Amino acid sequence: NAGVTQTPKFQVLKTGQSMTLQCAQDMNHEYMSWYRQDPGMGLRLIHYSVGAGITDQGEVPNGYNVSRSTTEDFPLRLLSAAPSQTSVYFCASSYGGVGIQYFGAGTRLSVL
Amino acid sequence: LAKTTQPISMDSYEGQEVNITCSHNNIATNDYITWYQQFPSQGPRFIIQGYKTKVTNEVASLFIPADRKSSTLSLPRVSLSDTAVYYCLVGDMGASGTYKYIFGTGTRLKVLA
Repeated sequence: NAGVTQTPKFQVLKTGQSMTLQCAQDMNHEYMSWYRQDPGMGLRLIHYSVGAGITDQGEVPNGYNVSRSTTEDFPLRLLSAAPSQTSVYFCASSYGGVGIQYFGAGTRLSVL
Repeated sequence: LAKTTQPISMDSYEGQEVNITCSHNNIATNDYITWYQQFPSQGPRFIIQGYKTKVTNEVASLFIPADRKSSTLSLPRVSLSDTAVYYCLVGDMGASGTYKYIFGTGTRLKVLA
């Protein structure tokens, strides 16, 4: 049972580069979300989705884009990477808005 | 804006019961209270969820008073492996009328031998 799968696990970018962080879940969950966690800090919500075709902004959406074309996938796009986006990114999914969230293992991103 | 407030850190000794309280004064009527545990370099992991009164599972208990403005996570007889950050979450209504979940700062629990 895979659960929530994030790829890649590690990534190094140069300032200005773009990339997509992948997130896939096999639990048929409607609700998916992206968080970032800076060293020693709590998780901050970037974007979330309540179903295919529906996304909304979280606390820190600037510099990131998302789309939800299928129930299973919720990719996070960095448009033009900046050093301030160096962080660990977690994807989560749940059945419905009040359901238990299941988290992926994270993607560790460094922007030089 | 739904928001939670927790103590920043707590220390405890092995074998003791640990109680972590979370304040959520603006919790919505239909919202649940959920607690997560996070170890270093891992994603958060679900511990327990409740709506009111008391909920117990194999790892913890959750106490919620009638006004639901706070909740207390109780960890019985902690061990060194319970050293982690514990987060309390409640929902917040997003612009599209959907719920989103905002993590607070969490409580960093350190269990001492």
